[in-house]
Amino acid sequence: DAGVIQSPRHEVTEMGQEVTLRCKPISGHNSLFWYRQTMMRGLELLIYFNNNVPIDDSGMPEDRFSAKMPNASFSTLKIQPSEPRDSAVYFCASSFYPDTQYFGPGTRLTVL
Amino acid sequence: AQKITQTQPGMFVQEKEAVTLDCTYDTSDQSYGLFWYKQPSSGEMIFLIYQGSYDEQNATEGRYSLNFQKARKSANLVISASQLGDSAMYFCAMRWGGSNYKLTFGKGTLLTVNP
Repeated sequence: DAGVIQSPRHEVTEMGQEVTLRCKPISGHNSLFWYRQTMMRGLELLIYFNNNVPIDDSGMPEDRFSAKMPNASFSTLKIQPSEPRDSAVYFCASSFYPDTQYFGPGTRLTVL
Repeated sequence: AQKITQTQPGMFVQEKEAVTLDCTYDTSDQSYGLFWYKQPSSGEMIFLIYQGSYDEQNATEGRYSLNFQKARKSANLVISASQLGDSAMYFCAMRWGGSNYKLTFGKGTLLTVNP
């Protein structure tokens, strides 16, 4: 069975550019999570969807970040405009609520 | 506030020996879940093992076992017969009853298995 799929795996962009990260959750899972991992702050939950509906976005750092889940098999995390401090690894995870979360391989974002 | 503490920034173990990675947690909830994830140098987060707060038996998954001591609020991961491929970062995480979906992660322990 396919796990959580994320694309791109690596993204290098310049400050001010728009960045879109993509995630395909495990088929049948009804919950999707976006996390950010940095050395300084560890793993942080950014936003959580249940049945495609955003439930809690309190972890989204600021208005430059937005996330959507138009259907059960696809989600995006967008940063516009990007800044160097957004450089991090972004993980998408999915679960069949409230069971174990399974993580994707992550997207390593570098903003120059 | 819910909190996970991993006091060992780094651990070393000889191949084929057992190792215990410590995790303590703080919650006032009666219903919660404890997880361990492995993050190798390649970066992915791999789920290892889960323990529910009402589970009476310690969880086991192959070479992994969770030493759950509820009164002491600890959930240590035991890896038996360590292998070189076990070298990785290990994260303890908690999901608590008041907010089932959120995972709070510890800062992690970097395990190095020596040949």
